[in-house]
Amino acid sequence: DAGVTQSPTHLIKTRGQQVTLRCSPKSGHDTVSWYQQALGQGPQFIFQYYEEEERQRGNFPDRFSGHQFPNYSSELNVNALLLGDSALYLCASSLGETRRHSYNEQFFGPGTRLTVL
Amino acid sequence: SQQGEEDPQALSIQEGENATMNCSYKTSINNLQWYRQNSGRGLVHLILIRSNEREKHSGRLRVTLDTSKKSSSLLITASRAADTASYFCATQIMNTGFQKLVFGTGTRLLVSP
Repeated sequence: DAGVTQSPTHLIKTRGQQVTLRCSPKSGHDTVSWYQQALGQGPQFIFQYYEEEERQRGNFPDRFSGHQFPNYSSELNVNALLLGDSALYLCASSLGETRRHSYNEQFFGPGTRLTVL
Repeated sequence: SQQGEEDPQALSIQEGENATMNCSYKTSINNLQWYRQNSGRGLVHLILIRSNEREKHSGRLRVTLDTSKKSSSLLITASRAADTASYFCATQIMNTGFQKLVFGTGTRLLVSP
């Protein structure tokens, strides 16, 4: 089992450009969540995909968009990059919808380090 | 925005000593989890404690939860150099059908040989 994989590992872009990050979930998982982690901060939730639809969204502008494919893999797209978008982008996978007091562990990938110049 | 604060922001100890990290959060939760992160890479899940639990153990880890004070602590006993990492608490907020973790600001732990 390869676990959660992300590509690319590192990426350098300039302001105004667009970027696409990719995530393959752990085998058997159908839900993908994306987090942004600025340097020295904790991860912040961007959005979550289940059954190819965005189910939850954090406090991020529309420049951040995503997609989930039928094989459960996911992409994170960021348009019109700003310097402040420089961060580690983490993908986490888990098993779908949970009941109120149940829990399905999220498994994190190694992240993609995005630098915006 | 972050759900909570972690204290201390940084901790430096010697091998064999115990390390205690504290986490405070703001809203009612379903459960609280602790994660470790090495060198700004992926997060590794350490332990989960549910809102109706007060203490939990896993190997050298001990976690407590006080929902009345909205706080949790992580104790690592007999620390090793390999424990050097950043540690984050994360809460799962109640009334959400889908998992969403809200992370604290983290504690950077340095364990010296």
